[in-house]
Amino acid sequence: NAGVTQTPKFRILKIGQSMTLQCAQDMNHNYMYWYRQDPGMGLKLIYYSVGAGITDKGEVPNGYNVSRSTTEDFPLRLELAAPSQTSVYFCASRDTGGGEKLFFGSGTQLSVL
Amino acid sequence: LAKTTQPISMDSYEGQEVNITCSHNNIATNDYITWYQQFPSQGPRFIIQGYKTKVTNEVASLFIPADRKSSTLSLPRVSLSDTAVYYCLVGDSGGGADGLTFGKGTHLIIQP
Repeated sequence: NAGVTQTPKFRILKIGQSMTLQCAQDMNHNYMYWYRQDPGMGLKLIYYSVGAGITDKGEVPNGYNVSRSTTEDFPLRLELAAPSQTSVYFCASRDTGGGEKLFFGSGTQLSVL
Repeated sequence: LAKTTQPISMDSYEGQEVNITCSHNNIATNDYITWYQQFPSQGPRFIIQGYKTKVTNEVASLFIPADRKSSTLSLPRVSLSDTAVYYCLVGDSGGGADGLTFGKGTHLIIQP
């Protein structure tokens, strides 16, 4: 199993551009999550999904959109990129039920200039 | 969601035992306590999880008192490679976003 795969690893955007961060998992996990991590800070939850077709907002959803058309994929869309969205983005997944641990991808480092 | 409090940073030396304590006064009956480790430029990695008393695996031990209002991650005989940020999470009883709030964590620095 590859686990959680994120692409791209690095990206530089200009202000106002849009892009999609890809996340795929091959563990058949129902729950998937997007976090952002600013330098020296903890992770903040952007959006999450408890299954295909179901998404919900986390702590910091403004400026982002998600979709979950399949169990495997959970892309994060940035519309009209702003410098405040410069961060490292992590995707994670876990199985259903209590006590299930999170599996993280290797992250996407995004700079908006 | 149960809020957690942990020290911002800790220092220790190679070969020592390191204990990191996390406070979670409003932990709910069904909540688990989970610790993650994060190295620079990597996603967090699961270390250990417990519900009550003591749990031990190949990398750490987790001590949870009877009232469950705190927990202590114990790393035996640390090495330089244990330098990382450690996060304590409380919740994860099965809900979608339950218990998945990361604080700033504890930055552990191990010196030679």
